[in-house]
Amino acid sequence: SQQGEEDPQALSIQEGENATMNCSYKTSINNLQWYRQNSGRGLVHLILIRSNEREKHSGRLRVTLDTSKKSSSLLITASRAADTASYFCATDEGSNYKLTFGKGTLLTVNP
Amino acid sequence: KAGVTQTPRYLIKTRGQQVTLSCSPISGHRSVSWYQQTPGQGLQFLFEYFSETQRNKGNFPGRFSGRQFSNSRSEMNVSTLELGDSALYLCASSLVGRSGGNNSPLHFGNGTRLTVT
Repeated sequence: SQQGEEDPQALSIQEGENATMNCSYKTSINNLQWYRQNSGRGLVHLILIRSNEREKHSGRLRVTLDTSKKSSSLLITASRAADTASYFCATDEGSNYKLTFGKGTLLTVNP
Repeated sequence: KAGVTQTPRYLIKTRGQQVTLSCSPISGHRSVSWYQQTPGQGLQFLFEYFSETQRNKGNFPGRFSGRQFSNSRSEMNVSTLELGDSALYLCASSLVGRSGGNNSPLHFGNGTRLTVT
């Protein structure tokens, strides 16, 4: 079963524009993580935000978390063609030993 | 440090056969998780191991099994393969202590692409 659900499923933008992806989840969490996957490759961890944090930055990435709405957003600023990938949110559902992933947002950045 | 290594990279099997996939975690990582990725179902959790013990298991039939060795390397086995088992199988390792919560990021390998014909 999918805990996180990303929205939109696909997003196409021009280089230099900002990209925003959203994630909703169902149960209480300890933390939420975002990952990127280039086609046919493994996932790469981008950023982790704990349940008691509201916003976190890492380079061109900005993540927000609203636990009252059970939602998170990932903002990529000044996008580049190299940002083209699928982006997934993952939550722990309160479990220590398992991460549950959403189905992802496919981001295409056109040069 | 070397990343997570999965072998083989590609595998083609026929229905009814069995297959064993291998994963070598990042040095020092004691937790290994396995995921199945398909276009229809996305990323599905298979199981997680720590110090040779399975700590959590996903909703997969008993045909899917795994184990972890004392050096933290892990294998997963799928017996009596079905067409629906065709997928990308991903292994991930993390620095998670025995009693710690899952606040460590997962480091993924590039997966094994299994095709069942």
